[in-house]
Amino acid sequence: GNSVTQMEGPVTLSEEAFLTINCTYTATGYPSLFWYVQYPGEGLQLLLKATKADDKGSNKGFEATYRKETTSFHLEKGSVQVSDSAVYFCALSDNQGAQKLVFGQGTRLTINP
Amino acid sequence: DTAVSQTPKYLVTQMGNDKSIKCEQNLGHDTMYWYKQDSKKFLKIMFSYNNKELIINETVPNRFSPKSPDKAHLNLHINSLELGDSAVYFCASSRGTGGSSYEQYFGPGTRLTVT
Repeated sequence: GNSVTQMEGPVTLSEEAFLTINCTYTATGYPSLFWYVQYPGEGLQLLLKATKADDKGSNKGFEATYRKETTSFHLEKGSVQVSDSAVYFCALSDNQGAQKLVFGQGTRLTINP
Repeated sequence: DTAVSQTPKYLVTQMGNDKSIKCEQNLGHDTMYWYKQDSKKFLKIMFSYNNKELIINETVPNRFSPKSPDKAHLNLHINSLELGDSAVYFCASSRGTGGSSYEQYFGPGTRLTVT
């Protein structure tokens, strides 16, 4: 079945550091890929998405590129802020019938001032 | 205005009890979902309804029963609660299914603690 694997957390960085959170997936067909963010005590919010190979999703300074050849969708940001501290989830949807999201295990990110 | 709301936000109850969690969305979406997030933050889908019809039913104990009285509501009933049911339950909704991945909007979650 479909699955998503994220880099183990927690990740701790200093403000203005470069961020990469790795995400790889296993899926049949052509899934859509997502990054969701969960701030403390809140529900999940869609951060960005990509629906086909080589698409780049971007939002709030975060970017991720859909790489079919490496089955990856790594999240990057050039300069993180304290307010980026949250749990980040990579997810996929197989685009077949019901929109079932399959999530990675989440990566907790803490940014220190 | 809250797009997807859940009640209650916190629920503490004893083993063996029956409880319900309510979800409402005011986005006019056709599809709603329930997800379970365990203590390690792992998220897994439980159910999905499209226009009040069940379309996803993952391997969930029969003690869990979703009910959708209309498109805007999807409630979750849990019978004979067990310690392992302790988790955060998230409701979500989306415009539809299939095609090019409609965004799912999540509620704030209901933290269920079974003692």
